Amino acid sequence: GAGVSQSPSNKVTEKGKDVELRCDPISGHTALYWYRQSLGQGLEFLIYFQGNSAPDKSGLPSDRFSAERTGGSVSTLTIQRTQQEDSAVYLCASSLNADTQYFGPGTRLTVL
Amino acid sequence: DQQVKQNSPSLSVQEGRISILNCDYTNSMFDYFLWYKKYPAEGPTFLISISSIKDKNEDGRFTVFLNKSAKHLSLHIVPSQPGDSAVYFCASKKNRDDKIIFGKGTRLHILP
Repeated sequence: GAGVSQSPSNKVTEKGKDVELRCDPISGHTALYWYRQSLGQGLEFLIYFQGNSAPDKSGLPSDRFSAERTGGSVSTLTIQRTQQEDSAVYLCASSLNADTQYFGPGTRLTVL
Repeated sequence: DQQVKQNSPSLSVQEGRISILNCDYTNSMFDYFLWYKKYPAEGPTFLISISSIKDKNEDGRFTVFLNKSAKHLSLHIVPSQPGDSAVYFCASKKNRDDKIIFGKGTRLHILP
């Protein structure tokens, strides 16, 4: 398919463990975004990659969160020492030249 | 500090009538505005957008109105259809290359 894909679709982990969430953007899209949606909340911006520019990390909630985008394509969001409040749906989106975003289906993270 | 506000968490509208979803923003630097629609267990999908140089943009049953002086925009859906039942997110950004900031969403129920 030509859409944004994310893996895994569901992740259950124990408090204190590290997790990695993967996003495969649409081929050729220069911009990639990570958001999260907690239960009953809106979309919370986390981090934004645009081409070769330094990423906008202003939305990362703590230093336990980090993200990489390798080769301008695939991105990995890493959460270290997970806490229960990290439980949410993590959404990735990509866009061409920062126009309309196309979202993936999300990864539902549950921290026990 | 929430820069994009959707003050109605939910809205119920009779099928065939007009649905009006409202959004307010606080950042006068926002220059581009978007609406997204989200079904359960799916990522948001782009619906319609408007730039600050316009006050209205129409696409089929969907029309977005922008009042820059009031920092207010609205999405009108007419006539409303059962498939319109979803969560609608308002979003804004400062310029072409900036990150997109989302509101918390409004859940629209179309009643038969």
